[in-house]
Amino acid sequence: DTEVTQTPKHLVMGMTNKKSLKCEQHMGHRAMYWYKQKAKKPPELMFVYSYEKLSINESVPSRFSPECPNSSLLNLHLHALQPEDSALYLCASSPGVRGGTEAFFGQGTRLTVV
Amino acid sequence: GENVEQHPSTLSVQEGDSAVIKCTYSDSASNYFPWYKQELGKGPQLIIDIRSNVGEKKDQRIAVTLNKTAKHFSLHITETQPEDSAVYFCAASSAGGTSYGKLTFGQGTILTVHP
Repeated sequence: DTEVTQTPKHLVMGMTNKKSLKCEQHMGHRAMYWYKQKAKKPPELMFVYSYEKLSINESVPSRFSPECPNSSLLNLHLHALQPEDSALYLCASSPGVRGGTEAFFGQGTRLTVV
Repeated sequence: GENVEQHPSTLSVQEGDSAVIKCTYSDSASNYFPWYKQELGKGPQLIIDIRSNVGEKKDQRIAVTLNKTAKHFSLHITETQPEDSAVYFCAASSAGGTSYGKLTFGQGTILTVHP
């Protein structure tokens, strides 16, 4: 089973709203990632969690706040977003915390900020 | 940091033909090269990967080749079928201690297979 589950699949939020994206994997993977993907572009890394600790923040604005409550769950808290933050948000997980191991992606959350 | 170039950006083939997508990378420390297929409205799906200690890997109709010296790798799809139509991304990753498996993606190739 190489499944990464993301909820919700679609989300529309206003610029003053607070919402959260959720990601879950039960493969025992030790690294989890948030990527952002704009239309017709490749995924761009936002955050990496390694053993439930934030290891990489790719200079993401503070209106995006990640959280890793346990080894299977990853959340992305959203607050005061801008319309340009509309995108597909992808969660991924990987068995190892070093490079060179497979990364498996979820189906993504399509976020629209109005 | 790593930079991955991917060509072509679009590729149109007839069903049954072969398709080849090429990528080059810049960081000689990169040692893991996955390929992802992304269908409309879905997340990227890992279809094949290769590590730097291997020159070629095959899985049924798909194969990947790697030339470490030239820093390029390619995806080969034979006997293409309409369901192969999707966006394909190459990526590179380093096993370096602080990389944590960060993937650097190419810009993607839109493959269209005409029946």
